[in-house]
Amino acid sequence: AQSVTQLDSQVPVFEEAPVELRCNYSSSVSVYLFWYVQYPNQGLQLLLKYLSGSTLVKGINGFEAEFNKSQTSFHLRKPSVHISDTAEYFCAVSSFGRRALTFGSGTRLQVQP
Amino acid sequence: DVKVTQSSRYLVKRTGEKVFLECVQDMDHENMFWYRQDPGLGLRLIYFSYDVKMKEKGDIPEGYSVSREKKERFSLILESASTNQTSMYLCASSLGLPGNEQFFGPGTRLTVL
Repeated sequence: AQSVTQLDSQVPVFEEAPVELRCNYSSSVSVYLFWYVQYPNQGLQLLLKYLSGSTLVKGINGFEAEFNKSQTSFHLRKPSVHISDTAEYFCAVSSFGRRALTFGSGTRLQVQP
Repeated sequence: DVKVTQSSRYLVKRTGEKVFLECVQDMDHENMFWYRQDPGLGLRLIYFSYDVKMKEKGDIPEGYSVSREKKERFSLILESASTNQTSMYLCASSLGLPGNEQFFGPGTRLTVL
């Protein structure tokens, strides 16, 4: 069985400040890790994913995430956020034996001017 | 561009009605998924299909069934809608192997009165 914990349900931050959204996972097998973003009234869009190799993964819109196997974490970061980054962010995991994604509960990022 | 479309953005039904949610993808993907999204719970897998006429139960299949008669179309059926099935329903599709990006539709917000 696998599970994902997103530690913060809401993260308020001022425009141009850095942000980190935290994600921890639990799995007994090797995993694939994903971050998705959901803008208001839209479906989910892939930000980035980790399959193997380099533990630092760069995604769209200036986001990056670091896979830490010992800490079982996959935190999402951006050095300077914009108002347009206001959205809900979901961390998700899959593995070779499970094609579907297991999602965390989501983190709502609120960027204030 | 991959496109996943869902038949309705908003749907209002009465308790006990039979409800059909339709999803169509245009990229010849093997896998198709139905998730349910509720505040504070993230997305939870209802059913998925890895080939025509093939399906597997997800984490919360009770009260739902699915149909996949053609590769591009995946239907979610609520046999007898209940108020606790009021939710946002998201369809997704992906290529066969785990680790591939899932592409999401815009969602159907279903209200059962």
